[in-house]
Amino acid sequence: NAGVMQNPRHLVRRRGQEARLRCSPMKGHSHVYWYRQLPEEGLKFMVYLQKENIIDESGMPKERFSAEFPKEGPSILRIQQVVRGDSAAYFCASSLTGGPQPQHFGDGTRLSIL
Amino acid sequence: QQQVKQSPQSLIVQKGGISIINCAYENTAFDYFPWYQQFPGKGPALLIAIRPDVSEKKEGRFTISFNKSAKQFSLHIMDSQPGDSATYFCAAIRSTGNQFYFGTGTSLTVIP
Repeated sequence: NAGVMQNPRHLVRRRGQEARLRCSPMKGHSHVYWYRQLPEEGLKFMVYLQKENIIDESGMPKERFSAEFPKEGPSILRIQQVVRGDSAAYFCASSLTGGPQPQHFGDGTRLSIL
Repeated sequence: QQQVKQSPQSLIVQKGGISIINCAYENTAFDYFPWYQQFPGKGPALLIAIRPDVSEKKEGRFTISFNKSAKQFSLHIMDSQPGDSATYFCAAIRSTGNQFYFGTGTSLTVIP
């Protein structure tokens, strides 16, 4: 499968636990974006990464959220000490280059907080 | 503040009819305007996109109309089919930007 791969597809956590969401971009893509989608809403940008670098994290909450895209392996979105308000669908997208170019999305991780 | 405003929120169209979804924006620095189609439980899939140097782009049954002076663009789905039933999102990005700004989505239902 040459598309953007996200796992897990569904993740259930209790308040206070940590959530780790993984994203493998399309083959050949080195630009990764994370978005959050709440029910009945559009996608909201969180962070943009290239290999080993965070380029733009202007949409990321200042606390508890972090992202990385290591030289080897998938990009990780990490949410520490989760709260009920973190329940959402988290989508990863990748592109061949940055800027105004097509972004291709994975099928998301649905995070539910008990 | 919503950078891209999308309407209607929901739309019901007869099979064979034309579905029209509209978006408006304020930031004249936006340089690329894609439309995405999303089915339940799936990620958004790129449908068609346009840049501001053209007023219309057509791909099969899907057409984007772009009005630069009015800062509006719309998606037209000709000969709408039940399989087109999905949520559609417009988006925009600046020429020097990194993030897409998405509309709030239109839930389209095409009835047989």
